Amino acid sequence: EAGVTQFPSHSVIEKGQTVTLRCDPISGHDNLYWYRRVMGKEIKFLLHFVKESKQDESGMPNNRFLAERTGGTYSTLKVQPAELEDSGVYFCASSQGPVPQPFFGPGTRLTVL
Amino acid sequence: GQNIDQPTEMTATEGAIVQINCTYQTSGFNGLFWYQQHAGEAPTFLSYNVLDGLEEKGRFSSFLSRSKGYSYLLLKELQMKDSASYLCAVRDGGYSTLTFGKGTMLLVSP
Repeated sequence: EAGVTQFPSHSVIEKGQTVTLRCDPISGHDNLYWYRRVMGKEIKFLLHFVKESKQDESGMPNNRFLAERTGGTYSTLKVQPAELEDSGVYFCASSQGPVPQPFFGPGTRLTVL
Repeated sequence: GQNIDQPTEMTATEGAIVQINCTYQTSGFNGLFWYQQHAGEAPTFLSYNVLDGLEEKGRFSSFLSRSKGYSYLLLKELQMKDSASYLCAVRDGGYSTLTFGKGTMLLVSP
């Protein structure tokens, strides 16, 4: 069974540009989560989809971040316009009840210059 | 607020036993997870505790005390490949939205 995949693995952009990150969850997983780790800090929750609906987006830092999950399969996270403080590693995870643990992807390392 | 504390770094010798502690203060509690993360890779699930007590899985064990807000991960017969970051995370709701600690970097030396 394929795990959670994320694309790209690395992205380097300039301040003010737009970047779109993609996550493909494990097939059949209804729950999809986005997390972010900023340098020196802990991994922090951004938002949670159940199928195509946003269940919880309380962790989204501001309106420059837009997440979508059309069709309830893969998800995208767009940052527009990117700022320096958006640099970090963006992780995606998926889960399917009753298995409690989410399975994580390898992350996308975003560097904003 | 949510607060999860774990040591920043630990060192141990190959073949030894190491215990990584985690204390938490969260608004709710619905399970505690331990993940292992090698540099540049995905966090990998190790264990899940929702009731008090010890869960054993091969060389790894995890303990939970809900009344004390405390957990530990015990690694036995350490191997060089166990050098990694170990993440403690708490679930406080019905879904698997997790609050993480900063992680403990474990260095295993020969």
